Formats: sequence, structure tokens, C-alpha cells
Amino acid sequence: DTGVSQNPRHKITKRGQNVTFRCDPISEHNRLYWYRQTLGQGPEFLTYFQNEAQLEKSRLLSDRFSAERPKGSFSTLEIQRTEQGDSAMYLCANSRDGTDTQYFGPGTRLTVL
Amino acid sequence: ELKVEQNPLFLSMQEGKNYTIYCNYSTTSDRLYWYRQDPGKSLESLFVLLSNGAVKQEGRLMASLDTKARLSTLHITAAVHDLSATYFCAVDREGSSNTGKLIFGQGTTLQVKP
Repeated sequence: DTGVSQNPRHKITKRGQNVTFRCDPISEHNRLYWYRQTLGQGPEFLTYFQNEAQLEKSRLLSDRFSAERPKGSFSTLEIQRTEQGDSAMYLCANSRDGTDTQYFGPGTRLTVL
Repeated sequence: ELKVEQNPLFLSMQEGKNYTIYCNYSTTSDRLYWYRQDPGKSLESLFVLLSNGAVKQEGRLMASLDTKARLSTLHITAAVHDLSATYFCAVDREGSSNTGKLIFGQGTTLQVKP
């Protein structure tokens, strides 16, 4: 257990529905990252926060995806109008400025039917 | 575009044997990371290599980095069943900066048989 929690752990939804995932990082870890991992692949970077500021969004993140980190604490990732191609594991990771180790949460596995 | 390639992608080995996983990357970087992932679980940090020639060891695993060759290796000594997992290497997308925006390899799934 890295101290990073994610909820829910599993989500099954129908195509076209909206879903929201939550990540609670280790306290004092000001950097927070979202990754997506599909079966048999390594994680792919989606977006990055430093404190409450979202500093970058990957081009993998379409307009249907939005992420927030109010007050620099927990973060949410919302997917609107889900598509079957969104089915994946969504991982949250965090670290502190000046350190290199990222601590990953257990992930949220999304299945879009 | 930065690419990270691992070799082999799947490795089945007997307990007690030695083997090496290779990680090649396509851009200048002196920061390389190794992670382990057990089935259905998240990623666990194994090693952080921050300079050319860096070598780190933990138990039966040893990682090294050759930035000139853009190559990192993860060497397994006298494998045991508990090492069965998928191993990923990753490079910071900005090369030598610590942005945390990691590009991962495809992963090497290691299966250690008794």
C-alpha cells in the first residue's frame, strides 16, 4: 500500500454515460499525475497537476476528459459520453517536488459496455 | 517522438537461473525508472537511476544505466517464484528534467517456474 487511494476500484458503465474517478494522494505530495493503462501495455501519461494547477494535458486526453484538483488535495477525472475505447485502468500517481519516485494508487478499472 | 522499448516482452525461466531485461530509449535522458506490477495491482517503484553508470541493487534485482547507449538493464540473479510479475522501465518525457511525465515501455512479463 503506497498511501495513494483511488475510488471506485471498478466501474462498469454503458456507452454514453458520464463517469468520475477520485484520487486521494499522499499528503504533502504536491505533484499529481493521471495515467491510463490498457491491457498488455505500459501506462500512458494523461495529465499533471502541481498543487491545484493543471500544467499539462496529453493529446490523448480528448475534450470529453476533464480533471480537477481543487485546493491541491484530492483530484477527480471525469469522462463524459464514454466510449468503448475508454475502457482501461486509470492510475493516479504522486510525488513531491525535488524527488523522483512516483507513488501509484491501485487504479480504477473502467469497463464501457 | 520518444520511444521506450523493452526486450523481451515475455520471459519464462526456471528458479535459480539468471537473466537480463533490456530497456532502450530513443532520446537523451539520464533519468530512468523501473517499476514492478503484479497482476491486477498497481505499480511499485523498484529503482530510480539518475546518472550515466548508475547501478542499484535490491535483493536479486540489479539495475544499471548507460546513457550513452540509451540502455538500461534489469538483471535477475537466481530467480525465485516471488519475482514473477511484469516489469516496466520508464523515462521522463523531457529527458534530463524531473517533470514526472513518464513514458513507459511495453513491459516484460516474467514467469518463474519451480
